This record gives sequence, structure tokens and C-alpha cells, in this order.
Amino acid sequence: QKEVEQNSGPLSVPEGAIASLNCTYSDRGSQSFFWYRQYSGKSPELIMFIYSNGDKEDGRFTAQLNKASQYVSLLIRDSQPSDSATYLCAVMKGTGRRALTFGSGTRLQVQP
Amino acid sequence: DGGITQSPKYLFRKEGQNVTLSCEQNLNHDAMYWYRQDPGQGLRLIYYSQIVNDFQKGDIAEGYSVSREKKESFPLTVTSAQKNPTAFYLCASSMTGSAAEQYFGPGTRLTVT
Repeated sequence: QKEVEQNSGPLSVPEGAIASLNCTYSDRGSQSFFWYRQYSGKSPELIMFIYSNGDKEDGRFTAQLNKASQYVSLLIRDSQPSDSATYLCAVMKGTGRRALTFGSGTRLQVQP
Repeated sequence: DGGITQSPKYLFRKEGQNVTLSCEQNLNHDAMYWYRQDPGQGLRLIYYSQIVNDFQKGDIAEGYSVSREKKESFPLTVTSAQKNPTAFYLCASSMTGSAAEQYFGPGTRLTVT
């Protein structure tokens, strides 16, 4: 079992729809959760982070965390073609090394 | 203008040669990281450093070496012992602490033939 799992996609949604990206993690003691967006050939860009159970909203983005289910998600409202990218989920474990563990990413395609 | 710089953007080397990738940050971050990304895959941690003159191995440290002599700099050397060195190399930095956000440099694409 991978430490951080994401569906590789592609996830295809029409412009204006809500895109829902999901991530599960194996370390129950994980403390911090991050979503990065990566355009093809570019470096990852931090778009959201969440530490507590529940929802956190920032503009069109909402991160949702459920520690009991070891599940974190990212919702993108009013999806735009410019949102087409790979979305990487990253987790900071509770103990041990102080570095992020990344999932392999979900490719999102927003159809105009 | 604060940020993380990596140079060069593209690097070509012959097999058997060591090569050093540069990473500099002026964000006053204590922690720095090196990741490797292969096509269609996520990021894998090579080395990280939480403080000057100290660093730890990540998941794929074999064939790589690092130094952290200055807070601002964390160069990565890809040695000839690394069997598949062609990849996209990403440097990142953050404040220390479990909640610290990590920011990435633009990356170096290394091709070894």
C-alpha cells in the first residue's frame, strides 16, 4: 500500500463544473496536508493546506479533511480550462522524518 | 524578490560524469529539500536538511550527495553511481515545523546519455 494514494485520472469535467480530487493516506498520525498544482513541465505550486478536520475554503478551492477516514480532498468550483493540470496531494507524517510524502497526482482536464 | 532559484534549467551530461545541481533560496527558510520526479510520477524525496551542517537521507538517496554549508544553499551532486539519473530535479524550502508550507524552485531537467 502506498503511503499517499491518488487516482491518476485523467478526471475530465466540463467548464463551470465542480472538480473533486481525492487522496487517502496510510499514516494515522499524519498532521498536515497539502495540495499542489503542477502544470506540464513546471514545478509544483502550493494551492491549499489543511491541518484540522473539516473544510477550508480559499476562493474557488475547498480542502476537506477527515482524519478518521484518513481522507483528504480538494474541490474546485467553477472549473476553468486553466485549472487543467496535475494535482498532487502531500502529507506530513506525525513522527519520524520532517518532510512531505507525495502522492503520484491526479491529472485534471477541464473541457471548454 | 524572494524565492528559490535552481540552475541550470536544462543540463546534459555523459554517463559516468558527476554533476552538481544548484539550489539557492532567499526566503530565510531553515529547511531545504531535494526531490526527483520521473515522467507521470509523483515526487520522491532524495535528501533534506532541517538546519545548516545537517542533512538526512530520503527514500532514494543512493547515488546522490548533498551539502548544507550555508542556510541559503543546498547543492545536490548526482554521482556516476546513480543508475538512472535522467529526471526532473526539484528543490524546495520551508520553515521548520510540521505545519510549514513547502515551496518549490523551477526545477532542473537532467539528461544523461
